[in-house]
Amino acid sequence: ETGVTQSPTHLIKTRGQQVTLRCSSQSGHNTVSWYQQALGQGPQFIFQYYREEENGRGNFPPRFSGLQFPNYSSELNVNALELDDSALYLCASSFTDSPTDTQYFGPGTRLTVL
Amino acid sequence: QKEVEQDPGPLSVPEGAIVSLNCTYSNSAFQYFMWYRQYSRKGPELLMYTYSSGNKEDGRFTAQVDKSSKYISLFIRDSQPSDSATYLCAMSSTGGFKTIFGAGTRLFVKA
Repeated sequence: ETGVTQSPTHLIKTRGQQVTLRCSSQSGHNTVSWYQQALGQGPQFIFQYYREEENGRGNFPPRFSGLQFPNYSSELNVNALELDDSALYLCASSFTDSPTDTQYFGPGTRLTVL
Repeated sequence: QKEVEQDPGPLSVPEGAIVSLNCTYSNSAFQYFMWYRQYSRKGPELLMYTYSSGNKEDGRFTAQVDKSSKYISLFIRDSQPSDSATYLCAMSSTGGFKTIFGAGTRLFVKA
């Protein structure tokens, strides 16, 4: 076990709705990254937060947003859900924001958009 | 063209076989190379990482990086049914902030 937890495990939403996914990082880890993993694909980087500030973003539209809190928890919010948003959403925590720092992944939240 | 290419398989081998998993990449700035293992319904877990070119061994696992060919490999010796999982290669550069993953290769080791 990595010590990184995510909730909920599964979620079903309809197109156009909004969703909030939650992650609890390992204690002491100042960085959290969020990834989208479509079926049969590798994780795609959404964005990264370091000490509660977004410090990097992948090719995802602004309707994907996040928050990181001082208690090592974080959120991924997705507005105006689309069918293609159906995927496994993973968070990963690390001590620093260096890309060479080991990332510890949570088990993911599986989102289905109908 | 994707930055990282990985054959999705599936790859099926008998128990005890040597497994070779590979990735190619196009971005010469990548310097940090990782292999993750992902079991069904779980998040990826880091298996091995290497910095720049060369080999690294850890038990039954060996990671190789050939930067001149932009090619990385993971070898699994004496494969076991418990090795059945999806193996993801991943890369990053020291000047960047994100990790780029391959699509993953599904491996089945038959008892």
